[in-house]
Amino acid sequence: SQTIHQWPATLVQPVGSPLSLECTVEGTSNPNLYWYRQAAGRGLQLLFYSVGIGQISSEVPQNLSASRPQDRQFILSSKKLLLSDSGFYLCAWSPLYGGLDEKLFFGSGTQLSVL
Amino acid sequence: RKEVEQDPGPFNVPEGATVAFNCTYSNSASQSFFWYRQDCRKEPKLLMSVYSSGNEDGRFTAQLNRASQYISLLIRDSKLSDSATYLCVVSATSGTYKYIFGTGTRLKVLA
Repeated sequence: SQTIHQWPATLVQPVGSPLSLECTVEGTSNPNLYWYRQAAGRGLQLLFYSVGIGQISSEVPQNLSASRPQDRQFILSSKKLLLSDSGFYLCAWSPLYGGLDEKLFFGSGTQLSVL
Repeated sequence: RKEVEQDPGPFNVPEGATVAFNCTYSNSASQSFFWYRQDCRKEPKLLMSVYSSGNEDGRFTAQLNRASQYISLLIRDSKLSDSATYLCVVSATSGTYKYIFGTGTRLKVLA
């Protein structure tokens, strides 16, 4: 069965520090991969999605970036965090070309607090 | 206009009640529809897909109205454990699958 791992679960970082969140998927090949952010009391905002190694689409201009160095690895980074980067970050995957009814599956999330 | 809109609630209902949530979407080309459940500070988890013909899973019934561009979720015989935020999700294809989330409807089931 497929599993998705995301870490760390909680992170407290000072303003201006770098960020690296990692996500890996097991049990499937060529997944679509996603990074979402959820601010306190708000909905999920799609940040990046990827359909393959090195292929990244950005949905929202910001100081974050994403990379996919391996088929089942997705990394979210920042060179200098802002206060507004605080939130709950979720990695997710869906099957590539899985059909219209293919679902999205989430990792357990990272609660990032920028102070 | 937001791509996917939901009433944020909260809906406070007694145990055993029936409650319904609606969700509207703006992109008529949307092809797939889902309801997810999210507990506080946890990841969203798939509750059920939504099909044009309507579908049921135990106490949960989902329906889709493409003409009016809304989907609904009905929960019968509410349990305390149903307390959560329910997210409406719509996906559209533009070379790949992109899932757009509503902001969620919060449900509190009261003893």
